[in-house]
Amino acid sequence: EAGVAQSPRYKIIEKRQSVAFWCNPISGHATLYWYQQILGQGPKLLIQFQNNGVVDDSQLPKDRFSAERLKGVDSTLKIQPAKLEDSAVYLCASSSGQNGRLAEETQYFGPGTRLLVL
Amino acid sequence: RKEVEQDPGPFNVPEGATVAFNCTYSNSASQSFFWYRQDCRKEPKLLMSVYSSGNEDGRFTAQLNRASQYISLLIRDSKLSDSATYLCVGSGGYNKLIFGAGTRLAVHP
Repeated sequence: EAGVAQSPRYKIIEKRQSVAFWCNPISGHATLYWYQQILGQGPKLLIQFQNNGVVDDSQLPKDRFSAERLKGVDSTLKIQPAKLEDSAVYLCASSSGQNGRLAEETQYFGPGTRLLVL
Repeated sequence: RKEVEQDPGPFNVPEGATVAFNCTYSNSASQSFFWYRQDCRKEPKLLMSVYSSGNEDGRFTAQLNRASQYISLLIRDSKLSDSATYLCVGSGGYNKLIFGAGTRLAVHP
């Protein structure tokens, strides 16, 4: 079974530029998560989708970050404009979404996109 | 106070040693708990779930103490391949997970 796919794997941009990340979850998984992992810290949830609806985006810096999951499959996360503190690994994860309590499901992570903002 | 707190380590242990990690959580309403493993420059992967009754998977044992709001992970007979960062995870409500910063383990020959 194919895992969670993400691209690009690495990205270097200058501050104030824009960047977009793409994620393709495991086939059939209804729930998709975007996390930000800063060096030395654990993953922090940015946004969570159930199919194409947003379940939680309370920690998404909405002045500069946006995400969408059109058609309930692939998702893109965009940063515009980027700041130095956005340098991190952006992890996409998915889970089946079959459990009424999503927090009880195993989350499967993609390899991440490493972003460096100069 | 962080919602999930862990000792960052590193824990440096010889092969064959037993090592234990603890983690505390602040949200008394948290229901689900997990340990994830993250290798250097890799993505996190589920190691095991943590149940109130405690659970064991081979050399790994996880315990949950709800009264004291802490979770533990015990690794027996450590292998070189156990070297990784271990992330303690608790649920934040019904739908999302809160990750700790991780505890680094380095097993040496």
